Amino acid sequence: KNEVEQSPQNLTAQEGEFITINCSYSVGISALHWLQQHPGGGIVSLFMLSSGKKKHGRLIATINIQEKHSSLHITASHPRDSAVYICAVGDYQLIWGAGTKLIIKP
Amino acid sequence: NAGVMQNPRHLVRRRGQEARLRCSPMKGHSHVYWYRQLPEEGLKFMVYLQKENIIDESGMPKERFSAEFPKEGPSILRIQQVVRGDSAAYFCASSTRGFVTGELFFGEGSRLTVL
Repeated sequence: KNEVEQSPQNLTAQEGEFITINCSYSVGISALHWLQQHPGGGIVSLFMLSSGKKKHGRLIATINIQEKHSSLHITASHPRDSAVYICAVGDYQLIWGAGTKLIIKP
Repeated sequence: NAGVMQNPRHLVRRRGQEARLRCSPMKGHSHVYWYRQLPEEGLKFMVYLQKENIIDESGMPKERFSAEFPKEGPSILRIQQVVRGDSAAYFCASSTRGFVTGELFFGEGSRLTVL
């Protein structure tokens, strides 16, 4: 069993839909990161969480430390949100999830 | 405030040559991390550096790979005598804090192709 599991692996949705990507982990963590990787390959750090909830624009990330689970939500999704979303946990060494490939169709 | 700058973005080398990848962290960031992403795989930690110090190189192959972060100038990841298996995207990240993880800011990556 992987230490960080993401679901779904692939997600295709229509523009405007509410998107949820889930991340479960089995190790003790100091922080959890949500990152975005575009087809060009660049990586953008979206959130770093150690508890609770964070919001940035249309993106919301939550974490439940007791249940070892985090979710990334995208409201009013747009084609430009199409990317791979990655959950990673730990300190700088970071244990990475396999990623969720999101495609938003116009 | 410029982000994390990596260069070159793309590098082609023949087997046996040397590859040098550079990373300039964000202004005010003194912690630099290098990760490698093999095709169709997630990122793997390689090395963590502070100015003039290697803090953790446990993820870096023992041979042919070295990293430095001098007092002045960018951090450099050096791969000697490259082999085809070194073909990958190499990402650098920087942060203001270290062990208690500060928010990481990533560069665009350097894509190494070994012919």
